[in-house]
Amino acid sequence: RKEVEQDPGPFNVPEGATVAFNCTYSNSASQSFFWYRQDCRKEPKLLMSVYSSGNEDGRFTAQLNRASQYISLLIRDSKLSDSATYLCVVTSTTDSWGKFQFGAGTQVVVTP
Amino acid sequence: EAQVTQNPRYLITVTGKKLTVTCSQNMNHEYMSWYRQDPGLGLRQIYYSMNVEVTDKGDVPEGYKVSRKEKRNFPLILESPSPNQTSLYFCASSRDGYTEAFFGQGTRLTVV
Repeated sequence: RKEVEQDPGPFNVPEGATVAFNCTYSNSASQSFFWYRQDCRKEPKLLMSVYSSGNEDGRFTAQLNRASQYISLLIRDSKLSDSATYLCVVTSTTDSWGKFQFGAGTQVVVTP
Repeated sequence: EAQVTQNPRYLITVTGKKLTVTCSQNMNHEYMSWYRQDPGLGLRQIYYSMNVEVTDKGDVPEGYKVSRKEKRNFPLILESPSPNQTSLYFCASSRDGYTEAFFGQGTRLTVV
């Protein structure tokens, strides 16, 4: 079983609609959680960190459920520019240093 | 500007010809790592480094070497490249492996 799993999609979303998707992780001791955005074969870029209390950044809302070991991302009022692959990233501990574990990504396609 | 710089961006080489991909960061980060990205598999860690002269294997280290002689640089070495090392490679740095990772622009390597 992969340490971080995501639905690969694609999620085809009409412009202006809401889309949400989850990511599950297997290590209950995971410490930090992030959503990264990756445009076609370019470098991943941080979209937002995910905090225990949940957090919002404009049209994006991230939630963490430690009991069920998943994080979620919700995008409201989707824009064409939101079309991308969204990577779930979880860090675990290796000795005293973190180690990033990446999901394979969820593809979102926003259509006019 | 905070950045991670990889070179070259594109490389086509022949089996067995040693090559080095350079990576440099200007953020004084302790933690640096190399990933390869293949379709459907997501980002897999090759090697990481917690500080100068301190490196360790990631999930897919076979066929690769690294060195960390200076804090800012973390080159990836393929002593004898093979076609199964054809992939998209990313270098990343982070303050400590728990906080945000910054990625280089990627190196698209083709081994024929």
